[in-house]
Amino acid sequence: AQTVTQSQPEMSVQEAETVTLSCTYDTSESDYYLFWYKQPPSRQMILVIRQEAYKQQNATENRFSVNFQKAAKSFSLKISDSQLGDAAMYFCAYRFYYGGSQGNLIFGKGTKLSVKP
Amino acid sequence: GAGVSQTPSNKVTEKGKYVELRCDPISGHTALYWYRQSLGQGPEFLIYFQGTGAADDSGLPNDRFFAVRPEGSVSTLKIQRTERGDSAVYLCASSLASGYNEQFFGPGTRLTVL
Repeated sequence: AQTVTQSQPEMSVQEAETVTLSCTYDTSESDYYLFWYKQPPSRQMILVIRQEAYKQQNATENRFSVNFQKAAKSFSLKISDSQLGDAAMYFCAYRFYYGGSQGNLIFGKGTKLSVKP
Repeated sequence: GAGVSQTPSNKVTEKGKYVELRCDPISGHTALYWYRQSLGQGPEFLIYFQGTGAADDSGLPNDRFFAVRPEGSVSTLKIQRTERGDSAVYLCASSLASGYNEQFFGPGTRLTVL
């Protein structure tokens, strides 16, 4: 069974600085998707960034980028120029590539990010 | 276009009661997922609908939990004989199709069982 592990329950970063959130996962599949979701106190899950496992190039979305190490099964999120609005719970998630009956997301336990002004 | 909506936002009930939680997905989205998020945990999969049928209900914890999606749009998660351990945030997500890789989440329903 696939599992996702986030080993940092809480992280803190100074405004305008850079922070990296860690995620490791376990799967025997070669094709899959990985995601980072942000969950503010409003509870609404917001997709931050996604990575297809077959792509070697790391995904980037504005201030958010990932370091995807397929062999090591590691998928970290880097937030550059941190802003107060980045404060939230961040969840790493895995999804089987072909969807269908295995299209559900498998989440880690989350990392609570605090941003200090 | 509206996003995924869920009602009620909060629900407080007593142990042993029956509750219904509603999810209204994005129009045109055929795939619908229910997740349960306990305090301090990540969401856990409960059930997946493709159209009107439950394609995968392997995440439902026991037979007190049941979900329907009769017309392929709105879904209702039903919990019978609620227990205190059912207290959690119940999240609904929809996507264009099951193979589509982005799921759009609703704000969730916080269920508290006293």
